Amino acid sequence: GAGVSQTPSNKVTEKGKYVELRCDPISGHTALYWYRQSLGQGPEFLIYFQGTGAADDSGLPNDRFFAVRPEGSVSTLKIQRTERGDSAVYLCASSLDTGALNEQFFGPGTRLTVL
Amino acid sequence: AQSVTQLGSHVSVSEGALVLLRCNYSSSVPPYLFWYVQYPNQGLQLLLKYTSAATLVKGINGFEAEFKKSETSFHLTKPSAHMSDAAEYFCAVSEGGGADGLTFGKGTHLIIQP
Repeated sequence: GAGVSQTPSNKVTEKGKYVELRCDPISGHTALYWYRQSLGQGPEFLIYFQGTGAADDSGLPNDRFFAVRPEGSVSTLKIQRTERGDSAVYLCASSLDTGALNEQFFGPGTRLTVL
Repeated sequence: AQSVTQLGSHVSVSEGALVLLRCNYSSSVPPYLFWYVQYPNQGLQLLLKYTSAATLVKGINGFEAEFKKSETSFHLTKPSAHMSDAAEYFCAVSEGGGADGLTFGKGTHLIIQP
């Protein structure tokens, strides 16, 4: 079956612009996670959703970052007034439910470059 | 707060040799521990996980890891390296049973010499 998909695969933008990154989770997965992976680093947790609600957004670095999941499936990560330091690979993962017994399946990521 | 330390950003072994990738964790509660592998241009894939059952965990592709509470370690091993094992490996910890997102180490790049 289809895995987690993310679009676009690459996004180049200019400093100060607004960007949206999309994640399509595996069908039927109720939990959805966003991570950010900077060059040479491991993924860093940003936010996770259980259904439509953000259950934990403690990893969002500041108020320029926002994520939604209005219908409990597709999620969009939104970044306002982008900065060069936002350049990274943004990863999305989904799992059947929350809890360690439920494997997180990762998408291929969106590589964001802020010029 | 939880954290993960992976010793060695790069590890090189010969094909057929033992693979040992080190991971130490810090957690205020009994942790859940994971190893993920990332092949070039692919997403992260779960190799194995420890969730407080058996301390020796077997995963895919012949990998295994042993949870040692006294050493706060969860090292990944494979008896005989194969060229296809060349990839980036990440150790991760969760205190909330996975519900609070994973905390990853910086990763170890495994190089296999022919």
